Amino acid sequence: KQEVTQIPAALSVPEGENLVLNCSFTDSAIYNLQWFRQDPGKGLTSLLLIQSSQREQTSGRLNASLDKSSGRSTLYIAASQPGDSATYLCAVNGGGSEKLVFGKGTKLTVNP
Amino acid sequence: DAGVIQSPRHEVTEMGQEVTLRCKPISGHNSLFWYRQTMMRGLELLIYFNNNVPIDDSGMPEDRFSAKMPNASFSTLKIQPSEPRDSAVYFCASSQTPGGYTFGSGTRLTVV
Repeated sequence: KQEVTQIPAALSVPEGENLVLNCSFTDSAIYNLQWFRQDPGKGLTSLLLIQSSQREQTSGRLNASLDKSSGRSTLYIAASQPGDSATYLCAVNGGGSEKLVFGKGTKLTVNP
Repeated sequence: DAGVIQSPRHEVTEMGQEVTLRCKPISGHNSLFWYRQTMMRGLELLIYFNNNVPIDDSGMPEDRFSAKMPNASFSTLKIQPSEPRDSAVYFCASSQTPGGYTFGSGTRLTVV
């Protein structure tokens, strides 16, 4: 059974810092890994999708990497801003199933 | 595209009443997912459909929950009878294999 773990559970940083969020998964036979952002009381917004054949994806100040063999992904946020404050969720699918399995998320607070 | 559309956004109902949540996936997407989010358990998959056929309903908590997808543009999740422990945010998502997932804004259900 696929399990996804995100560390840390919460992170507080001053504005302008570069930071890394971590995600690990137990079954390396994945199709895709997707990072989402969730603001309080809101839905999930897709940030980056990494397919199994890819090693990283970039969008603006965000960069996500994938190492299938070690079962790990990182989300790098450059020059953090207060508007980046949200919960970041990592999810994978695979093993013959389309369903996404989610981690519990990292709650990020960027202080002005 | 308007994205994944869920209704209602909020639902407050009394214990024992029937609740029906609705979802319109993105046109052209062939898979649809129902998730439930709570503070304690995070995001859990309830059921998913591929080409309107239920593929995995192992996450449906009990017989009080049922889901249908009569056509490619509509799905419902029904709870009958509802109980206070069903209070949660219910999300619908759709995808076009092997692409990423798009989530709706969710339905916040409160059972009193």
